Amino acid sequence: DVKVTQSSRYLVKRTGEKVFLECVQDMDHENMFWYRQDPGLGLRLIYFSYDVKMKEKGDIPEGYSVSREKKERFSLILESASTNQTSMYLCASSLLDLATKETQYFGPGTRLLVL
Amino acid sequence: DAKTTQPTSMDCAEGRAANLPCNHSTISGNEYVYWYRQIHSQGPQYIIHGLKNNETNEMASLIITEDRKSSTLILPHATLRDTAVYYCIALYSGNTPLVFGKGTRLSVIA
Repeated sequence: DVKVTQSSRYLVKRTGEKVFLECVQDMDHENMFWYRQDPGLGLRLIYFSYDVKMKEKGDIPEGYSVSREKKERFSLILESASTNQTSMYLCASSLLDLATKETQYFGPGTRLLVL
Repeated sequence: DAKTTQPTSMDCAEGRAANLPCNHSTISGNEYVYWYRQIHSQGPQYIIHGLKNNETNEMASLIITEDRKSSTLILPHATLRDTAVYYCIALYSGNTPLVFGKGTRLSVIA
């Protein structure tokens, strides 16, 4: 059974703290993605990665950074958490091969509250 | 990626078929139609995708019109656990970044 796991389901942090959100997949997927989801705004892409040590900015990268040191792990870092980063964070992974028309597999999400 | 339009919400009686429509009138010839759903407080889950032909898997069926401007997701025997928000997306490939609209909130009623 394919699996994407995220380090926490719920997280409460204070403004200015450095926050690490971890995502691990066990499917040997090349692609990994970080999204955030907010009411009325849908799913928005923060960063994605097509390979180890490779990263690409998504639609809303400001205030975030990422790390991909190993193929199975993709970390999202909030350098200095702010209240407007309170959100549901979703990690996903997929195969690289476009020909397969493969789908993305999502983790359960981390609901982050920044006070 | 082509824009899709879905009704905001729908109700379905438990055990009946749920038919969820999606309009994608600007879809290009090599864009696929993907369906995902998101149960409350969980991550999105892939359901099915198709290009031209109708598709069926263990979860659902996908009916795509001949002109490809619209499609219908069919859950043949809806259960309470199918209550979720359903997203229809037009994509060249399912492993590129996804853009979810507001989707259709399906409520299955006992």
